[in-house]
Amino acid sequence: DAGVIQSPRHEVTEMGQEVTLRCKPISGHDYLFWYRQTMMRGLELLIYFNNNVPIDDSGMPEDRFSAKMPNASFSTLKIQPSEPRDSAVYFCASSLARTGGLDTQYFGPGTRLTVL
Amino acid sequence: QKEVEQNSGPLSVPEGAIASLNCTYSDRVSQSFFWYRQYSGKSPELIMSIYSNGDKEDGRFTAQLNKASQYVSLLIRDSQPSDSATYLCAVNRDTDKLIFGTGTRLQVFP
Repeated sequence: DAGVIQSPRHEVTEMGQEVTLRCKPISGHDYLFWYRQTMMRGLELLIYFNNNVPIDDSGMPEDRFSAKMPNASFSTLKIQPSEPRDSAVYFCASSLARTGGLDTQYFGPGTRLTVL
Repeated sequence: QKEVEQNSGPLSVPEGAIASLNCTYSDRVSQSFFWYRQYSGKSPELIMSIYSNGDKEDGRFTAQLNKASQYVSLLIRDSQPSDSATYLCAVNRDTDKLIFGTGTRLQVFP
């Protein structure tokens, strides 16, 4: 299995530009999670989907952030307009459903975003 | 108070020693607890999960959970330089979400 795939691996953009991050979860996984990691705040959950449906987006910092999952094999996280404080590593993770609790979350390699 | 707290470290131990990593959490209804390892520039990977009070052993790793004290720890026996990484504690709140601590950086020196 190829694991969780994210693209691009690195993104450098200027403030005000639109940024789109992409994720392909492990085939057959029911859950998809988007995280952001910074030195100051650690690993923060932004939003997660179950069977392509957004379940909890309470971690999305503001309206500039949006996420979609049009099908079971693809998700996007969009930032429009981007700001320097959005600079971070963005991880996508996927997992199987498990009765009574969580199964292992498998993380993608991450996208390192730098907003100048 | 943060939901999941860890000492940021670095925790430095000599090769062959036991490394002890600690984590406290604030939500008493938390049910599941996880330890992830993250090498510099890499993504987190799960190394241990624990769901009930007591110890759980897997090779050189032992996870310990004390729900009354809201405390979970990870012991690494016979530490190796390859264990040098950041260790993230994660706690399950609700059914589907994980809350992560900011991690403890472990350095194992030869």
